[in-house]
Amino acid sequence: DAKTTQPNSMESNEEEPVHLPCNHSTISGTDYIHWYRQLPSQGPEYVIHGLTSNVNNRMASLAIAEDRKSSTLILHRATLRDAAVYYCILRDVTAGGTSYGKLTFGQGTILTVHP
Amino acid sequence: NAGVTQTPKFRILKIGQSMTLQCAQDMNHNYMYWYRQDPGMGLKLIYYSVGAGITDKGEVPNGYNVSRSTTEDFPLRLELAAPSQTSVYFCASSHGQGGTQYFGPGTRLLVL
Repeated sequence: DAKTTQPNSMESNEEEPVHLPCNHSTISGTDYIHWYRQLPSQGPEYVIHGLTSNVNNRMASLAIAEDRKSSTLILHRATLRDAAVYYCILRDVTAGGTSYGKLTFGQGTILTVHP
Repeated sequence: NAGVTQTPKFRILKIGQSMTLQCAQDMNHNYMYWYRQDPGMGLKLIYYSVGAGITDKGEVPNGYNVSRSTTEDFPLRLELAAPSQTSVYFCASSHGQGGTQYFGPGTRLLVL
């Protein structure tokens, strides 16, 4: 499986933008870039995903480098509720593939948001 | 919709005891997964199922068994509990292998 590299931790102030980087230099053409986050004492929750183009949803934006070897999750205005571990995951969902859509979690980035 | 539910929330087991962790989803998802998360680590896949009657091993299946008799339920069985199985267990489901995975709240297991 292609691996991702994320900083262990990042800090932000409330209501400021946060840019969470992820490197995935061995990404394959069929890998989607997914982001999940895990709030304290909860199960992970989906944030956003993309393949080649930048993506926006109500939670965040995903900026994908042109060569797809890195991506950045952008939280436009961090709130205290955004304090969580953020996981960048490559997911191969090729029909008939052997990955069965699994999510391979690394250690993620611990985001601390200061009031 | 309740989404993905898990019971119990917390359990203490003695070494050698057995138990079943329950997982249910009401979203009619065909794919279901069991993960474990050790302190400070990411989640690791134990078993998964692509539909009723079909299950397969993930990365860390030793010491566990699963069954999938219905679309809704995917129980995880620990036969002979060991301290190494102390962890938080998460169940997840998705619509197809490409669908968003929805996670339950987790079961915290302590084996002493």
